[in-house]
Amino acid sequence: DAKTTQPNSMESNEEEPVHLPCNHSTISGTDYIHWYRQLPSQGPEYVIHGLTSNVNNRMASLAIAEDRKSSTLILHRATLRDAAVYYCIRSQTGANNLFFGTGTRLTVIP
Amino acid sequence: DAGITQSPRHKVTETGTPVTLRCHQTENHRYMYWYRQDPGHGLRLIHYSYGVKDTDKGEVSDGYSVSRSKTEDFLLTLESATSSQTSVYFCAIRVDRENGYTFGSGTRLTVV
Repeated sequence: DAKTTQPNSMESNEEEPVHLPCNHSTISGTDYIHWYRQLPSQGPEYVIHGLTSNVNNRMASLAIAEDRKSSTLILHRATLRDAAVYYCIRSQTGANNLFFGTGTRLTVIP
Repeated sequence: DAGITQSPRHKVTETGTPVTLRCHQTENHRYMYWYRQDPGHGLRLIHYSYGVKDTDKGEVSDGYSVSRSKTEDFLLTLESATSSQTSVYFCAIRVDRENGYTFGSGTRLTVV
């Protein structure tokens, strides 16, 4: 099962941190965790990925649980431009596809 | 970033007509994908290619065919368009398994 579980929607105030959760309880040891986001009227864009350790880049941080069954995407300071649908995806070993669920729609309140 | 462009960006066509969408990349990435996106479904894979003339079906391939005669181009054809194929179509390339995919800007297709 390649699916992940995310809340359908979340809200955040502008300039506040946002924690977007994702459950992937059936993840295997070699599956990467990817996060993409899709802004209105655009294609998905890569945000961050990780395997076991927490990861940081200029866009976000990814916190991965020790058992790897869940992860959290952290936007340190939400801006209005961060309003998007965020997808948490398992990149499975040997698979040639990314399975996109319906993601979490993040609303940022001014 | 790998360059990836889709054409056309918008198209309106009549039921029963053939339609071809084009995806072009400027780098020699091996894997290319076609997805469709509909409300309530996220993105669903139609077909993908793992090399020139090497393609395979995705989860929603019925009514679609693809061709890849050159590394840089991946074509999606609707042999006889139906209203159920009204959707937004995204092409993607896989940079590598770790760094993930780069998506095009999409083609909005309306079948009337």
